[in-house]
This record gives sequence, C-alpha cells and structure tokens, in this order.
Amino acid sequence: EPEVTQTPSHQVTQMGQEVILRCVPISNHLYFYWYRQILGQKVEFLVSFYNNEISEKSEIFDDQFSVERPDGSNFTLKIRSTKLEDSAMYFCASSTQGASNEKLFFGSGTQLSVL
Amino acid sequence: DAKTTQPPSMDCAEGRAANLPCNHSTISGNEYVYWYRQIHSQGPQYIIHGLKNNETNEMASLIITEDRKSSTLILPHATLRDTAVYYCIAATGANSKLTFGKGITLSVRP
Repeated sequence: EPEVTQTPSHQVTQMGQEVILRCVPISNHLYFYWYRQILGQKVEFLVSFYNNEISEKSEIFDDQFSVERPDGSNFTLKIRSTKLEDSAMYFCASSTQGASNEKLFFGSGTQLSVL
Repeated sequence: DAKTTQPPSMDCAEGRAANLPCNHSTISGNEYVYWYRQIHSQGPQYIIHGLKNNETNEMASLIITEDRKSSTLILPHATLRDTAVYYCIAATGANSKLTFGKGITLSVRP
C-alpha cells in the first residue's frame, strides 16, 4: 500500500529555533494535512492544504506556523520560533479528495522535542 | 461536525469479534461516520467509513442504525495486533478536517 513518508522521525531543538518538518505525500493525492498530538492528548488538526493554498486552519496554527509545497513531492511544516508547548508528535496526511468522503493516509510522524 | 461519544475502553478475547459502539445523535444528513485507529503512537490508520448503509471491507464491518444516531464497528476476529485506540468521527464538507476525540481503547487479550 502507498505510504506517506515523514522526516525526520525525531527532532530535538532549542526554544526559539526554527524547525522544518518534512513530508512526502502519496504521489497522486491532492489534499494535504498536518495534525499534531501532544503526549497523552488527542490528535489535533492544524491545517489543510489544497491547490497550493491553505483551505482551513485551526486556532493552533498561528503566525508562527507556515506550510509549503515547494515542489511536486514535498509538503513542509515550518515553526518559526519554537516554544516548549510545541513539543508533540506531528503527523502529515494526504488524500485524493477532501476528508469527508475519502480516507486520509497518515505518516508515521515526527516527534518534536523543544528544550 | 457532530460530536461522537464512545466508552473509554473495552476488551475482548483473541479470535472473538470486537464490537465497538459509537453514539452520534446529532449527526446531520450529509455527515459520514469514519473509524480510524491508532496503535501506540503511530499515525492514525483508516479503517472504514459510511453514510447510511452498512459497510464491510477487509478490516472490519460498520453497522449504522437506521436513524443514524449510532454505529458499531465490528472486528470479526480480533488479534493481539488490533489492540489500539479506535476513533469514531463524524465529518462533512468537501475539505473538512477530522476532529479526533479520546476514542475507545480496545485491549485484545490472549
């Protein structure tokens, strides 16, 4: 089965530093998402992306966050100035259609630790 | 999106059917019912979804009541590898996010 690939699997950074989390969605998918999960808590939606623009974003996704699809294969999440509370597992997902009528394929996640 | 309610946990014996209930009494007519699961801290995995009719695939069956206010996910022959958190989600819209709740923790015992 096709997979969503995320790199790195673990990222450790100092508070205030910028991080970029990378994802390679499934090749024929058109919709892309970032979710995160703080340890012991729910999986939370961050942002959805379609046709090279943000479709929807949550309150978590403030000005410190940005997403980009720099080429035909990668989808990135940038956190400009990390905070301790950004420590979480970040999941990338993709789908051929919108989330309501098609399954999302999730990657295995990037564990971000902000020190 | 409609709120869904699931018991916090349940267990079943390996090889037996696992029936996971979900209430979604405020679901609207155009909202699908989705089931995902999360094994340890891995990314959520799609299981099945449906609108009105019962659905079956290679992983599970989804039974939706006629009034659509509740549903049951059935794993016909649970294995130890099915131990996971199972999420029931109602979602609508052309590009809607999925709102994950706490889910139900299924423990399959030998």
